[in-house]
Amino acid sequence: SQQGEEDPQALSIQEGENATMNCSYKTSINNLQWYRQNSGRGLVHLILIRSNEREKHSGRLRVTLDTSKKSSSLLITASRAADTASYFCATDAPGYALNFGKGTSLLVTP
Amino acid sequence: DAGVIQSPRHEVTEMGQEVTLRCKPISGHDYLFWYRQTMMRGLELLIYFNNNVPIDDSGMPEDRFSAKMPNASFSTLKIQPSEPRDSAVYFCASSATSGGLNEQFFGPGTRLTVL
Repeated sequence: SQQGEEDPQALSIQEGENATMNCSYKTSINNLQWYRQNSGRGLVHLILIRSNEREKHSGRLRVTLDTSKKSSSLLITASRAADTASYFCATDAPGYALNFGKGTSLLVTP
Repeated sequence: DAGVIQSPRHEVTEMGQEVTLRCKPISGHDYLFWYRQTMMRGLELLIYFNNNVPIDDSGMPEDRFSAKMPNASFSTLKIQPSEPRDSAVYFCASSATSGGLNEQFFGPGTRLTVL
């Protein structure tokens, strides 16, 4: 079952601009993860934020988590054409499984 | 490590034929997941294994789908008989429970087309 829902479904920006994607979920979580998928490839893990964390950084990525609103955001700063991809949030499910959203498709144009 | 390996990368078959997809997880990982991705339904979890034992197969769509993990380094997903609506990209992913985090590592996927 899909718990996370990303917003927007698609986003088009120019190189150098910042890109912000949001994820909302329904039930309590232990952690939330963001993944990237380049066209024709498998998903790649970007960053994990635990439920007791509010913000986390990794290079040009910044993730926030608001458990009271059951939402997370992924910010990519100073975007590059190579950031063009689909971005998925994933919440933990029973066992060690993950629930993935349908993703945000990001297009960065030169 | 070579990462998660899947084969074949592309498969085109005719309706009614048997299809077998293969996966080699990352060495040392004790969880293995099979997903299906389509434009309409997104990424769906089909089944996952822990230490070669199937834990949850509630996502397997029909009895036509079956999955096995005979050992820690190999898993198969079989569709018999295949139907056009099975056309999708099938991903295998693995993860390790050490560290208590469930980051998953995905293979490149198998693009299945059923004519």
